[in-house]
Amino acid sequence: EPEVTQTPSHQVTQMGQEVILRCVPISNHLYFYWYRQILGQKVEFLVSFYNNEISEKSEIFDDQFSVERPDGSNFTLKIRSTKLEDSAMYFCAIQRGGLTDTQYFGPGTRLTVL
Amino acid sequence: AQKVTQAQTEISVVEKEDVTLDCVYETRDTTYYLFWYKQPPSGELVFLIRRNSFDEQNEISGRYSWNFQKSTSSFNFTITASQVVDSAVYFCALSVKAGANSKLTFGKGITLSVRP
Repeated sequence: EPEVTQTPSHQVTQMGQEVILRCVPISNHLYFYWYRQILGQKVEFLVSFYNNEISEKSEIFDDQFSVERPDGSNFTLKIRSTKLEDSAMYFCAIQRGGLTDTQYFGPGTRLTVL
Repeated sequence: AQKVTQAQTEISVVEKEDVTLDCVYETRDTTYYLFWYKQPPSGELVFLIRRNSFDEQNEISGRYSWNFQKSTSSFNFTITASQVVDSAVYFCALSVKAGANSKLTFGKGITLSVRP
């Protein structure tokens, strides 16, 4: 049984448009992450989120990106003005917490910027 | 900074062969966590195993086994009697924290093809 779902599964957008990717955890989790995977490449960390604020972000996560948890459940990644190079698979990961805990990934959202 | 190297990019085997996927990691932290994830053709990332740096005991789970050696900074993954369903990209990953901010640093992945 999946611990987290992501919507949409595939998003096609025009360059310069804003997109919002959503992550919906099935049960209570403490830590949230976004990663991206450009086609055929490795998975890269974007941002971690804990206690309603960003814990850490990578250099990829520039001013065009933002995250929030607007309703205490969904966790969203917003890209304000998409670029061609934003085309990638975006994965949400969740973690309950504790020293023995593990990140579990959602099925991903494939973003295509035209 | 952390680094994970998966030197093998693509491996092709015939069903029932054993195959070992290599992973070498770099970190200056004395406490760290190692992971393997599987990415089948459908694209999701499936967690396989997590290992703590202070636990060098090897692990076996069915046809899967993992060999963690701190002396060589390696965390290799062996599939015994491979099956076509094992065809996927396998990622090794490293984290130096638990809980908040435990971002994963991934290797580039190894594409495993198991032919019938």
